Amino acid sequence: KQEVTQIPAALSVPEGENLVLNCSFTDSAIYNLQWFRQDPGKGLTSLLLIQSSQREQTSGRLNASLDKSSGRSTLYIAASQPGDSATYLCAVKDAGKSTFGDGTTLTVKP
Amino acid sequence: NAGVTQTPKFRVLKTGQSMTLLCAQDMNHEYMYWYRQDPGMGLRLIHYSVGEGTTAKGEVPDGYNVSRLKKQNFLLGLESAAPSQTSVYFCASSPPGVASTYEQYFGPGTRLTVT
Repeated sequence: KQEVTQIPAALSVPEGENLVLNCSFTDSAIYNLQWFRQDPGKGLTSLLLIQSSQREQTSGRLNASLDKSSGRSTLYIAASQPGDSATYLCAVKDAGKSTFGDGTTLTVKP
Repeated sequence: NAGVTQTPKFRVLKTGQSMTLLCAQDMNHEYMYWYRQDPGMGLRLIHYSVGEGTTAKGEVPDGYNVSRLKKQNFLLGLESAAPSQTSVYFCASSPPGVASTYEQYFGPGTRLTVT
């Protein structure tokens, strides 16, 4: 059974810092990995999708990497801003379904 | 283009009552999903559909039923609500194509409380 773990559960940084969020998964036979952002009381917004054949994807200040063999993905956020404060979730899709991590709650202090 | 919408946004039920949650998408997506999100347990798949007229069980299907009579709509029903079904329910959809490109788009959620 696929298991997805996100560490740390919570992270607080001052504005302007670069930061890395981690996602690990137990079964490397995945189709893709997707990073989401969730604001309090809201739905999930897709940030980046990395296909199993890809190593990384970039969108603006966000960069996500994927190392299938080691079962790891990282989400790098450059020059963090207070507006980046949210919960970030990763989800891996395999043949059966998508499995989600519990998320990392990020707080960026002005 | 509204994306994925959910109705209602909030609902309070008494134990034993029934209700239907509606999910609608206007992106012509083939796949639709119902998840529940609970603290410390992440998002768990309840049921899903790979096309009009077809549904399948997910990870936690007990106590729920679904129907996909039209491609754009996916209904989640609770026949006899229980306090354990208090949760936030999310609907999602994804387009067809190569499995590695499946990207899920989520609705805003329905917050359900069963007393």
